Amino acid sequence: DAKTTQPPSMDCAEGRAANLPCNHSTISGNEYVYWYRQIHSQGPQYIIHGLKNNETNEMASLIITEDRKSSTLILPHATLRDTAVYYCIVRVGPKSNFGNEKLTFGTGTRLTIIP
Amino acid sequence: GAVVSQHPSRVICKSGTSVKIECRSLDFQATTMFWYRQFPKQSLMLMATSNEGSKATYEQGVEKDKFLINHASLTLSTLTVTSAHPEDSSFYICSALFDGQETQYFGPGTRLLVL
Repeated sequence: DAKTTQPPSMDCAEGRAANLPCNHSTISGNEYVYWYRQIHSQGPQYIIHGLKNNETNEMASLIITEDRKSSTLILPHATLRDTAVYYCIVRVGPKSNFGNEKLTFGTGTRLTIIP
Repeated sequence: GAVVSQHPSRVICKSGTSVKIECRSLDFQATTMFWYRQFPKQSLMLMATSNEGSKATYEQGVEKDKFLINHASLTLSTLTVTSAHPEDSSFYICSALFDGQETQYFGPGTRLLVL
């Protein structure tokens, strides 16, 4: 799976949009971009994933550049409960190869929402 | 609501004893379950992948005789830490991949402290 690079930490004011960048310059054509977050002392929580089109759900939006070498997770109106470590993970497409469903976690971005 | 549960949430044991951690998928059949370990201030590290009815696949460096995994049904996987030692103290997290789904869902984690 391709490696990802994320800033170690970010701050964002409560109520503002939080934009979390991720570089994945070695991503290959069949690899998806997944985002998870981990609130302190809890298991990771799935946020969103995408292949090449921008995606939006009730939690966030995912913007993937046209060359797919980077992406941005957007939390539109950050709240204090969004304080967490956010992980950007690249992996092969779902069900493309048996045994490749595993996720490899990097160090992520520690997002702190400031009141 | 939560789709994956873990029990216990926290356990303290004496060195040399064995500890069993349960991971249950709620309302869905999990074709594959994963076990991760997370040390303080570090990221999640995959320990093993288990498929219902077959032997688990362990990551390099993880002792299969020490970390016994049983995936006896489509809704339950167990991790047994045998002869636990203080260095096994960690946060153990499971995840489940549900049939027909593209996303892993994580349990809340089990914090193990070995005295």
